[in-house]
Amino acid sequence: EAQVTQNPRYLITVTGKKLTVTCSQNMNHEYMSWYRQDPGLGLRQIYYSMNVEVTDKGDVPEGYKVSRKEKRNFPLILESPSPNQTSLYFCASSPHRQGSYGYTFGSGTRLTVV
Amino acid sequence: GENVEQHPSTLSVQEGDSAVIKCTYSDSASNYFPWYKQELGKRPQLIIDIRSNVGEKKDQRIAVTLNKTAKHFSLHITETQPEDSAVYFCAASSSGNTDKLIFGTGTRLQVFP
Repeated sequence: EAQVTQNPRYLITVTGKKLTVTCSQNMNHEYMSWYRQDPGLGLRQIYYSMNVEVTDKGDVPEGYKVSRKEKRNFPLILESPSPNQTSLYFCASSPHRQGSYGYTFGSGTRLTVV
Repeated sequence: GENVEQHPSTLSVQEGDSAVIKCTYSDSASNYFPWYKQELGKRPQLIIDIRSNVGEKKDQRIAVTLNKTAKHFSLHITETQPEDSAVYFCAASSSGNTDKLIFGTGTRLQVFP
């Protein structure tokens, strides 16, 4: 089944403790992206990747890192999480240009930083 | 940069009625306009999209219209059913090398039986 797999689904952590949210797709998509969803703000892009070893900042990249060492994986790293990073996170992939052929989203990761 | 405004933020309709959600965009070079549906606790899923060379597209009870001159596009749902209840997001591609996708802030649609 074609899908984007995110882990974990739920995560509660403490301020400053490094964490990684994993994302993997099995559709051989070139484009991958991370979004955060907050009430009243919609979906805001954190980082995106156009291909292996090619990543760039989205609209809200502060406090996040990403890497794209393999085509299928695009982990999101929070080096020192803070409470304002409490949010619902989605990974998404697209076969070609950023979202121009529709995104497939992962199931989401609800992160709480206390 | 590109900005996408979406209205209304909430919409309540009676089952069987029509629902319309409107979005405006700022980048005249935008050429791709998808709509996503997000049911409670689930991921956004693409339900329909339209490109700038087309004025209208229909898929069963769902239709999208695009007015490039006015820079707005709308989602129309006819004969609404309770399972249409969800948050709907519009989006528009931005111009430039990255062809970024900018999302609206969402519309919570409730369909009452």
